[in-house]
Formats: sequence, structure tokens, C-alpha cells
Amino acid sequence: DGGITQSPKYLFRKEGQNVTLSCEQNLNHDAMYWYRQDPGQGLRLIYYSQIVNDFQKGDIAEGYSVSREKKESFPLTVTSAQKNPTAFYLCASSTSGMTSGRSNEQFFGPGTRLTVL
Amino acid sequence: AQSVTQLGSHVSVSEGALVLLRCNYSSSVPPYLFWYVQYPNQGLQLLLKYTSAATLVKGINGFEAEFKKSETSFHLTKPSAHMSDAAEYFCAVSGWGGKLIFGQGTELSVKP
Repeated sequence: DGGITQSPKYLFRKEGQNVTLSCEQNLNHDAMYWYRQDPGQGLRLIYYSQIVNDFQKGDIAEGYSVSREKKESFPLTVTSAQKNPTAFYLCASSTSGMTSGRSNEQFFGPGTRLTVL
Repeated sequence: AQSVTQLGSHVSVSEGALVLLRCNYSSSVPPYLFWYVQYPNQGLQLLLKYTSAATLVKGINGFEAEFKKSETSFHLTKPSAHMSDAAEYFCAVSGWGGKLIFGQGTELSVKP
């Protein structure tokens, strides 16, 4: 079955630690996205990548980093610089992120819930 | 620039009643609009999308939405609510590069 997987489902982090959230897709999608979800705030874009080896900051990139070395994978690292990382993180992908891709829906993974202890 | 406003963070209906979730958008270009549903602790699932082909869009699970350019609205409706419809619903508009701009979400409760 094609889809997007995120791991782990639950993650606990101590203050000062970096953690990496995994996102893998086998949909052959070019574009991938990371969102942060907090209660009552909808989804906010952290980073996105329209093609391998390229990515751009979203609206709330501070304290986060990403890489896109393979088409299938878009891991997100939450660094110690992120002051309030406790949230639900969602990864998504779509067929194209370029100008022709505005009508393409995004497909979402099941999410990772990160809690800082 | 694009933006989305969902009116009402929480909507409660009785089972069998009409469901109406409101979404207004702002877009400097012809909009592409989406409705997603999210069940607790899960990802988002696409309900339907508007891509200018038809103003009345039918989606999954009996939901539909009507694009009204004059009102800049894309409200989501379902004639008869089921208990299984209880979830959070997000309206989104497509921005440059395929990015989605989401509304704040509306939590739908269904009373027996």
C-alpha cells in the first residue's frame, strides 16, 4: 500500500536534547512538508521541499532543521533552540510543489506527538 | 496573499441534523480550496477539493461544499450527521508552490 509513514508515534525529549522525527513516503511524490499542530492554532508550516536536495523555510522554521537527500525521506530535527517543542507534528507530501501544483492535494502521515519532559 | 477563516471553533449538532461548517477565504489569485478531516491523534484526510471545475463539490462520507466567489466562501455541509462524523475539520487554500494555508479548525461534536 502506498502512503506516508511517520515514526515514532510518541516521542519524549529532555530539555537540551535534539530529536529527529522520521517521515517516509512511497507515493513517488516530489514535494514534502512538515507542519506543527497546537490546540486551537490549526497547522503551521515548518519546512517544505519541492525537490530532492532543496528545501525552504516555512512560517515557523526557527529551532528546526531538515534534510532531503532522498525523494522518499524528509526527516525533521527539533533542536534545543526550539523553546516550546511540545506539539503534534505532521508530515505531508504532494505530487508537485511547483507552480503547477496549486491544485494538488497533500497526503498526510499519522503524526508524531512530541513531549518535552 | 492567501488566508482562511473558519467561523466557529466548535460546532455541536444532534445525530441526523444538518451539518454546516463555515469557511471564508482570501486569495489574490483564483483559489484552490480543500476540506480535510482529522480524527483524534491521527493525520488529516482529504474530504473534498475545489479546483474550478464545478462550484458544487461532492466528497467522501456524504459531505459536499459549494464555492461562492461573490461571498468568498466554501462552506462544508452534510444533510444528516452521524456519530462517526465527530472530528476536527480544516479548510485550506492553496498558496504558491503547492503550500496549503489552513484555517484554525472547527471541532464537530455529534449528540445522540
